[in-house]
Amino acid sequence: DIQMTQSPSSLSASVGDRVTITCRTSQNINNYLNWYQQKPGRAPNLLIFAASSLQSGVPSRFSGSGSGTDFTLTISSLQPEDYATYYCQQSYTSWTFGQGTKVDIK
Amino acid sequence: EVKLVESGGGLIQPGGSLRLSCEASGFTVNNNFMTWVRQAPGKGLEWVAVMYSGGSTYYADSVRGRCAISRNILRNILYLQMNSLRAEDTAVYYCARGMMDGDENNWFDPWGQGTLVTVSS
Repeated sequence: DIQMTQSPSSLSASVGDRVTITCRTSQNINNYLNWYQQKPGRAPNLLIFAASSLQSGVPSRFSGSGSGTDFTLTISSLQPEDYATYYCQQSYTSWTFGQGTKVDIK
Repeated sequence: EVKLVESGGGLIQPGGSLRLSCEASGFTVNNNFMTWVRQAPGKGLEWVAVMYSGGSTYYADSVRGRCAISRNILRNILYLQMNSLRAEDTAVYYCARGMMDGDENNWFDPWGQGTLVTVSS
């Protein structure tokens, strides 16, 4: 099974901050990596697919990068509506999610 | 509008059975692969089962032999039959549509709102 290591598990940031979340996989998955945002009591929502492709309707302050085993989700300027938990997901072999990163208000 | 609505969750005793439903609108469930993902209270996301457009199915090790994914194409509904339920199956269960590009990258979008299954005596 492919193991996912997402970091940090939580972070505190202010509106306007640049936020970076990383996801590392236990083996090379090329660019088979997706990112989701989940707000409390809500279903996950797709942000980024194929490591760097922005899902339609998602603000351009969200971006993804990486390939192989190391990936990054960046929020260029954090907005109040971005406080949520973020999950990476590998889709190379079956599907596995990272442990999540909770972004809260500093 | 593409939408998924789950139902069928509830409180069930250990060892019991439950069938979850996921009603799709805006697309047909046999044109895409469809999945179930669960989330235990306060925990992360765990993939549970998939059905591909051709009908093949696969399961996570944690539910294999106890769960069955199926669909009704005429009614455009996806199901998850869950048997021999355990306390550790307690979770919100989401259905999601699978999407794939030409390079076989794939992702889940959209997701339903989820249905809570609580296994307890």
